[in-house]
Amino acid sequence: GAVVSQHPSWVICKSGTSVKIECRSLDFQATTMFWYRQFPKQSLMLMATSNEGSKATYEQGVEKDKFLINHASLTLSTLTVTSAHPEDSSFYICSARDWRYSNQPQHFGDGTRLSIL
Amino acid sequence: RKEVEQDPGPFNVPEGATVAFNCTYSNSASQSFFWYRQDCRKEPKLLMSVYSSGNEDGRFTAQLNRASQYISLLIRDSKLSDSATYLCVVNENGNQFYFGTGTSLTVIP
Repeated sequence: GAVVSQHPSWVICKSGTSVKIECRSLDFQATTMFWYRQFPKQSLMLMATSNEGSKATYEQGVEKDKFLINHASLTLSTLTVTSAHPEDSSFYICSARDWRYSNQPQHFGDGTRLSIL
Repeated sequence: RKEVEQDPGPFNVPEGATVAFNCTYSNSASQSFFWYRQDCRKEPKLLMSVYSSGNEDGRFTAQLNRASQYISLLIRDSKLSDSATYLCVVNENGNQFYFGTGTSLTVIP
């Protein structure tokens, strides 16, 4: 089945560091990938939709200069949390689906647990 | 109004019980529907797609009611390992996916 790989799975960094998270579709191509954030005991919140070869679409309230998204190929999207602060600590998850089939479900990466000290 | 509404629970049921979750959606043109399971501190994993005629996978049955715009998930003979958060997901037009807030289920010995 479709697999999405996310890396790294766990990051602990000092405040002010920028952190890059990668999301790869392993056996299918994805023109669109999605980035979510989830705080403890809360729902998944869509941050942005990553579009291959064009700018990402950000949800209301998500700072595009803070969360840089690059989708340079059909199998890779990256999310960079710039100058991270403790309030950015969260569980970040990407998802993607095979673009060839309109009714396919999304498949999620394993998630990245980000802790900013 | 939210695109997808889901009762957050929590549902606490004894082992062996049958439990059902519902999820309503607002866009009648929604195309496809899914149930995901999310364990604590893990990513959501696809449990099953929901087909118009209803579908079953072992102890799990999913149904879609387009007229009333809701989907349901029925779990029979609950196991301790079924304890998780169950998310309904609605796909509106290819790349628009909307998530419910999730329903928390705890199966008690």
